[in-house]
Amino acid sequence: GESVGLHLPTLSVQEGDNSIINCAYSNSASDYFIWYKQESGKGPQFIIDIRSNMDKRQGQRVTVLLNKTVKHLSLQIAATQPGDSAVYFCAENMGAAGNKLTFGGGTRVLVKP
Amino acid sequence: NAGVTQTPKFRVLKTGQSMTLLCAQDMNHEYMYWYRQDPGMGLRLIHYSVGEGTTAKGEVPDGYNVSRLKKQNFLLGLESAAPSQTSVYFCASRHPGEGGYTFGSGTRLTVV
Repeated sequence: GESVGLHLPTLSVQEGDNSIINCAYSNSASDYFIWYKQESGKGPQFIIDIRSNMDKRQGQRVTVLLNKTVKHLSLQIAATQPGDSAVYFCAENMGAAGNKLTFGGGTRVLVKP
Repeated sequence: NAGVTQTPKFRVLKTGQSMTLLCAQDMNHEYMYWYRQDPGMGLRLIHYSVGEGTTAKGEVPDGYNVSRLKKQNFLLGLESAAPSQTSVYFCASRHPGEGGYTFGSGTRLTVV
């Protein structure tokens, strides 16, 4: 079936460097994508979203890029901080009734001091 | 404003026991969801609801039942717990047309 996946299960980053987390999706009908951050013992927390009619969206220290041609999504975190250590999930929404999200497997980001 | 509240936070069940997980949201959201998260994996949708009195199956509904008698509450029931249902359960809600879901902090369930 359709799925969302991530290329790297674990990403180690030096504090202050930029992080890039990648995500591949297979459903060309998906029209909305979200990145979530999940810290240990907590629920997923919304970071940033992007609709399929856009290819880039920026937030505070985060940027999401969408390449519909190759069905690829990425999250860039600028000047990574220790508080950014978490598991990051991408999720896609096909716009069907109920707006169900399909989640990828997650990438763990470890920030080294 | 509490957002999404899940109770209990932790629970240990014996195989065959039943229990109900409660999710409550105070944001007047129409849509509510129950997900499970297994170690090292993403979230999988169990059941969801697009409004009071309505429910629908998600990706992994077997062994679970849900009810949405009130708009602010979404209950997840396990009639006869199995070890395969050991997981962390997350509830989420969303208003139609808005962005990402708001998640609760999870219920860690162990079935022995």
